[in-house]
Amino acid sequence: GAVVSQHPSRVICKSGTSVKIECRSLDFQATTMFWYRQFPKQSLMLMATSNEGSKATYEQGVEKDKFLINHASLTLSTLTVTSAHPEDSSFYICSADHSGGGSGELFFGEGSRLTVL
Amino acid sequence: AQTVTQSQPEMSVQEAETVTLSCTYDTSESDYYLFWYKQPPSRQMILVIRQEAYKQQNATENRFSVNFQKAAKSFSLKISDSQLGDAAMYFCASYNNNDMRFGAGTRLTVKP
Repeated sequence: GAVVSQHPSRVICKSGTSVKIECRSLDFQATTMFWYRQFPKQSLMLMATSNEGSKATYEQGVEKDKFLINHASLTLSTLTVTSAHPEDSSFYICSADHSGGGSGELFFGEGSRLTVL
Repeated sequence: AQTVTQSQPEMSVQEAETVTLSCTYDTSESDYYLFWYKQPPSRQMILVIRQEAYKQQNATENRFSVNFQKAAKSFSLKISDSQLGDAAMYFCASYNNNDMRFGAGTRLTVKP
């Protein structure tokens, strides 16, 4: 089946630094990718929808200057957490739409655990 | 806007028995899709079952089946012959127009 890969799976950084997380669709092209954030024992909260070749659509309350999303190709979307702080520590999950849009055939990456010291 | 509600934070089932996880949703769309995802301790999201809203027939995948009540906006998951490997967090989700929303999740414990 379709595979979505996230990298890195774990990252630890110092407060004030920036961290980039990559989400790749390995065997299909994805015009749309989604970024979620998951706190411990909680559900997935949609942060933004990443559209290839255009600006991402951010959910209300998500700072677009804090969480930079780039979807430069049909197989890669990146999330950069800028000037990270301890409250940004979380599990970040991406997903990619395999169907080309509309039917919700989403495949999820393995997730990236960010720890900000 | 879509909302998904899972009212059971935790459920427990005896191995080989059957358990039903509840989910209700709300959407103003007529065309949408419903899902159940499993999230084991590895945190990898695994698709369990998918239902197109326009289909009246309940989706089935081996030991997993759903009871889709469109008028009541209910979408419960039944797991038959529960196995130890079924223990995980289960999330109900609703999708339409490039927008997927998840419920709060139900933690399923399987007792040997």
